[in-house]
Amino acid sequence: DVKVTQSSRYLVKRTGEKVFLECVQDMDHENMFWYRQDPGLGLRLIYFSYDVKMKEKGDIPEGYSVSREKKERFSLILESASTNQTSMYLCASSLPVQGPQETQYFGPGTRLLVL
Amino acid sequence: EDKVVQSPLSLVVHEGDTVTLNCSYEVTNFRSLLWYKQEKKAPTFLFMLTSSGIEKKSGRLSSILDKKELFSILNITATQTGDSAIYLCAVPTNFGNEKLTFGTGTRLTIIP
Repeated sequence: DVKVTQSSRYLVKRTGEKVFLECVQDMDHENMFWYRQDPGLGLRLIYFSYDVKMKEKGDIPEGYSVSREKKERFSLILESASTNQTSMYLCASSLPVQGPQETQYFGPGTRLLVL
Repeated sequence: EDKVVQSPLSLVVHEGDTVTLNCSYEVTNFRSLLWYKQEKKAPTFLFMLTSSGIEKKSGRLSSILDKKELFSILNITATQTGDSAIYLCAVPTNFGNEKLTFGTGTRLTIIP
């Protein structure tokens, strides 16, 4: 079974703090993704990575950065947290597409509250 | 711009009822459409529909894809309280890197 884990289930931070969210997958997947999920807006892609040290912006990258130094680990960084970054953050991983779309496997999510 | 729209946003039914959830999409280079179920935490994969597989069934859940009209439905018969969840529809929208665009989801609540 694919396992995607995230470092924290719940996190409370203050405005201006630097926040690290870690994601680890154990299936040797090339692709990894960071989403945020907000009521009424669904899942929105922040960044994704298709290989070590490779990253691409998703739909809402502003205020975020990412790091992929090892294949199994993909980190999301909030350089200076703001209250509008209060959200549920979901990490996912997948194999590269070889034909029909390979499904993404999700971690349990990190609920971040920025005060 | 690629777009995925789900309806309704929220649905409350009684146990035993049948429900139909809708997903319409506008995307260039359509390849597939995916349905996920999200209970308390991680979305879990339900179905993938492609041009060569436009109908899928698993127990009380079934899904069809209408490529001409650009929509999919997810049907759940004889609903149970364990079906209460957010149901997400997603479409890959980027060749090569498998970026998924999600709809807003439908929150389904089953009342005992």
